[in-house]
Amino acid sequence: GENVEQHPSTLSVQEGDSAVIKCTYSDSASNYFPWYKQELGKGPQLIIDIRSNVGEKKDQRIAVTLNKTAKHFSLHITETQPEDSAVYFCAPNTSGTYKYIFGTGTRLKVLA
Amino acid sequence: IAGITQAPTSQILAAGRRMTLRCTQDMRHNAMYWYRQDLGLGLRLIHYSNTAGTTGKGEVPDGYSVSRANTDDFPLTLASAVPSQTSVYFCASKGQGTGELFFGEGSRLTVL
Repeated sequence: GENVEQHPSTLSVQEGDSAVIKCTYSDSASNYFPWYKQELGKGPQLIIDIRSNVGEKKDQRIAVTLNKTAKHFSLHITETQPEDSAVYFCAPNTSGTYKYIFGTGTRLKVLA
Repeated sequence: IAGITQAPTSQILAAGRRMTLRCTQDMRHNAMYWYRQDLGLGLRLIHYSNTAGTTGKGEVPDGYSVSRANTDDFPLTLASAVPSQTSVYFCASKGQGTGELFFGEGSRLTVL
């Protein structure tokens, strides 16, 4: 956790293309790396997460990759669909701590 | 299953007034959180509680107070509201041993 940045802040892709969002953090003690999706007018919802003993995790069209040495992890969405349009947040943190800090957010627009 | 319930969903408030945002969860989660979200991006942690009877300060605690008298309830109080506290407020909870946050639907507060 601590300083958490996401890039890009906005991303527009054509339907069917892939989207990648990167999250950079500063706390080397971080060992849990989730991604949340927030649809308009709703609270964020967990879509995928990874722990530090794993380098990559996939769930259908979404995947998360982790580079602990460089202190960043990324969300990958393949074959994007209009319903993927939302704001995405990362929230790297350390198990057992309760200060749950979110990244700056990325607004994804999937153009039909 | 209700999950997290926030009230009110929306409120307009005169500056200087006191306001309490209510949050109740029925999942028996130990940890609870309050975030504010401005301009549709950027979740910032206000206060958190890792168990009933304890609270902690987040990134932006000034002007807010919380209490955690029991497991289910985590109210957020603005003692004397100011226009800069105009925001959408989200309450969240997390079970012990898991990393996932569960969010409420948010409370939109406008301070005039």
